[in-house]
Amino acid sequence: DTGVSQDPRHKITKRGQNVTFRCDPISEHNRLYWYRQTLGQGPEFLTYFQNEAQLEKSRLLSDRFSAERPKGSFSTLEIQRTEQGDSAMYLCASSFEGSRREKLFFGSGTQLSVL
Amino acid sequence: DAKTTQPPSMDCAEGRAANLPCNHSTISGNEYVYWYRQIHSQGPQYIIHGLKNNETNEMASLIITEDRKSSTLILPHATLRDTAVYYCIVGETSGSRLTFGEGTQLTVNP
Repeated sequence: DTGVSQDPRHKITKRGQNVTFRCDPISEHNRLYWYRQTLGQGPEFLTYFQNEAQLEKSRLLSDRFSAERPKGSFSTLEIQRTEQGDSAMYLCASSFEGSRREKLFFGSGTQLSVL
Repeated sequence: DAKTTQPPSMDCAEGRAANLPCNHSTISGNEYVYWYRQIHSQGPQYIIHGLKNNETNEMASLIITEDRKSSTLILPHATLRDTAVYYCIVGETSGSRLTFGEGTQLTVNP
């Protein structure tokens, strides 16, 4: 059973640099979500895709953030000109829309540290 | 999305039942109650969800009050591996993104 895979697990970068994270969802899942989590807080929704269409974006997703899911399979989340406040765990989740018992499957996340 | 209220922390002895409460007094008629948990350094894991009937699966039971303003997650025989942050969330099933609160840190003690 291949779950949701995220790469890299850890990323350390300097302020002002660009970073990109990748998420590979469960293969038959048509929905993909990005969340961000800071220490001691629950995950915060950033954006989600149904197939390749980005259907919703949180106001947390500033113009420095961009997410893509070009072929409706894997997704990338890019942060441009990183700031220290971007330091967080970035979580990806996937689900299959259409099931009455829809549930999210999360990856293990990418821990970003901005120095 | 309706807001939920959970105690910040709870303790439970290994082998005993863990009962985690959640208040969601502003829940609307089409919102489900979801429970997820997050073990340290991992992503959240789905446990169970329900609308108005009680639900049971291999992991836990979910008891929802008749007025749907509160619920309880029951882990019938807690083990050390159940130590985690437990999140109670309300939301619609379809087209929804979930709004996590701060959850309850459950510590299972030997």
